Amino acid sequence: QVQLQESGPGLVKPSETLSLTCSVSGGSINSYSWNWIRQPPGKGLEWIGYISFTGSTNYNPSLKSRVTISIGTSKKQFSLHLTSVTAADTAVYYCARGRVSDFTKYYFDYWGQGTLVTVSS
Amino acid sequence: SSELTQDPAVSVALGQTVRITCQGDSLRSYYASWYQQKPGQAPALVMYGKDNRPSGIPDRFSGSTSGNTASLTITGAQTEDEADYYCHSRDSSGNHLEVFGGGTKLTVL
Repeated sequence: QVQLQESGPGLVKPSETLSLTCSVSGGSINSYSWNWIRQPPGKGLEWIGYISFTGSTNYNPSLKSRVTISIGTSKKQFSLHLTSVTAADTAVYYCARGRVSDFTKYYFDYWGQGTLVTVSS
Repeated sequence: SSELTQDPAVSVALGQTVRITCQGDSLRSYYASWYQQKPGQAPALVMYGKDNRPSGIPDRFSGSTSGNTASLTITGAQTEDEADYYCHSRDSSGNHLEVFGGGTKLTVL
């Protein structure tokens, strides 16, 4: 059974960098995309970006200038770095495994439980 | 287009059938996937592809697509189906982006 678990600080100061790690257990990090998705309190889901098992990345254009997603050397973790945060970045941050089938079916089949990150001084 | 549009709220009587819809140009090229989110929980995949249910999802959930509209139908809604539902698809711009709908809050009366 694949499990994902987010970890990182729950409080970040404005203008600083938000850094989170997603630990993957029960499966290989190969052959999938590894995504970060966030949800501001009381609002909907926003896709942040992904890193593929090959190391290629793609980011939401609205966040692209501030986001970096990387895979850890152990290949069992991937990370999110979001720079110059403001209160608008306060959200529950989820990591999720992305899959593709037939190049027409894209979906997220496993999700972490999420971690709330508050941006405040 | 990079937008998926959902009705903010839908209600259904217990045991009746409800359809939750999602509209967007990307759905002409890609199938939607659907996620159920209950308060305080992470989203969970309930439907993907043409009409594919992950293991453990009851068969009262079904999916369909017509033109630019994807639908998630619950036949015989139960109280435990009350939740927020989000659709998702790949963006059709060719830039390999992912997009979510704004979500539909389903109330079971």
